[in-house]
Amino acid sequence: AQSVSQHNHHVILSEAASLELGCNYSYGGTVNLFWYVQYPGQHLQLLLKYFSGDPLVKGIKGFEAEFIKSKFSFNLRKPSVQWSDTAEYFCAVNRYNQGGKLIFGQGTELSVKP
Amino acid sequence: NAGVTQTPKFQVLKTGQSMTLQCAQDMNHEYMSWYRQDPGMGLRLIHYSVGAGITDQGEVPNGYNVSRSTTEDFPLRLLSAAPSQTSVYFCASSYSWYGSYNEQFFGPGTRLTVL
Repeated sequence: AQSVSQHNHHVILSEAASLELGCNYSYGGTVNLFWYVQYPGQHLQLLLKYFSGDPLVKGIKGFEAEFIKSKFSFNLRKPSVQWSDTAEYFCAVNRYNQGGKLIFGQGTELSVKP
Repeated sequence: NAGVTQTPKFQVLKTGQSMTLQCAQDMNHEYMSWYRQDPGMGLRLIHYSVGAGITDQGEVPNGYNVSRSTTEDFPLRLLSAAPSQTSVYFCASSYSWYGSYNEQFFGPGTRLTVL
């Protein structure tokens, strides 16, 4: 079965620290990859997505992610976090041409200390 | 555009009661989905639909029914609520793009408590 694994459940950083959140998936075929963010009390918003092409994708608010096909990974990065980045982050995977069937990781809660 | 709307925002049920969570989108999206969000488990797909009249099961379909009679609406029915269904429910929609899947737009969620 297709599954998505996020390595860190809770990450605590100070402002200006660098961030990397890990995401691995188990499906071997062509996939579409996403990172979503959920700020406290809000619904999910798309940070970035990868469909094809350049494996390094840039999203909103200075986030980027790198798709490494050989490692089945799609890690999220940000060079310098801000207090406003405090949120829960979800990696999600969809099999190509399987619209609607999006499988999420468990989520990583990020707390940024001012 | 209102995007994806969900009603109600909050609901408390007693075990055995039935109810329908409403979801509507005004973006003419083909794909709609229902997820439940539980602490430490992320979002899990309950049911999804690739178009009016077509639905399919996700990861955790038991205890839930769906139908899709129009493009806009995708209600989720709990026939006999159980405490294990206490959760936050999110509806989402996405459009088809050259046969590829695209990002999902999420509604604000319904927080359901089953006593």
